[in-house]
Amino acid sequence: GAGVSQSPSNKVTEKGKDVELRCDPISGHTALYWYRQSLGQGLEFLIYFQGNSAPDKSGLPSDRFSAERTGGSVSTLTIQRTQQEDSAVYLCASSFSDQSGTEQYFGPGTRLTVT
Amino acid sequence: GQSLEQPSEVTAVEGAIVQINCTYQTSGFYGLSWYQQHDGGAPTFLSYNALDGLEETGRFSSFLSRSDSYGYLLLQELQMKDSASYFCAVRDGGGADGLTFGKGTHLIIQP
Repeated sequence: GAGVSQSPSNKVTEKGKDVELRCDPISGHTALYWYRQSLGQGLEFLIYFQGNSAPDKSGLPSDRFSAERTGGSVSTLTIQRTQQEDSAVYLCASSFSDQSGTEQYFGPGTRLTVT
Repeated sequence: GQSLEQPSEVTAVEGAIVQINCTYQTSGFYGLSWYQQHDGGAPTFLSYNALDGLEETGRFSSFLSRSDSYGYLLLQELQMKDSASYFCAVRDGGGADGLTFGKGTHLIIQP
């Protein structure tokens, strides 16, 4: 079966513009996570969904960031009024449960460059 | 808050054994995971320890000591394809949160 897919794979945008990043998780996976990774750094947790609800939004760096998930499947991460410090690889992961230790399957990421 | 410390870079020889250490400070603790990431690739799951002791999966083993807030990943019979970054990660809440990752250890394998 298909793995986690993300689109676009690359996005270059001008400072101040809004961007939408999409994640298609593995079918049947109820938990979905967004992370971002700056060059040479570890992964920074952004937000988690269990089904369509987001119990944990604590990782969102500012109110310019928002995310939604519909139908318990596809999720979009929206960044408004992008800033240069938003440049990073945005990774989506899904897992069949949110229990600790459950393997998270990562997508290939969206590389965002804000000029 | 939570933090994880791991060496930024480790170099080893093909065929040898290497250990990558991870120490953590978290408000809660629900287990230590390890992920591998090749350059330009997505992280892939390697192992998970919830209890003290050693977990072995083929050439890779992972160890946890909860009392010492310490774990390590052991890679045996190193192959060139093992050149990658290795991240330890913890889940310090209940089910409803993401993983907190260390900054990663870049493993360089020399022939």
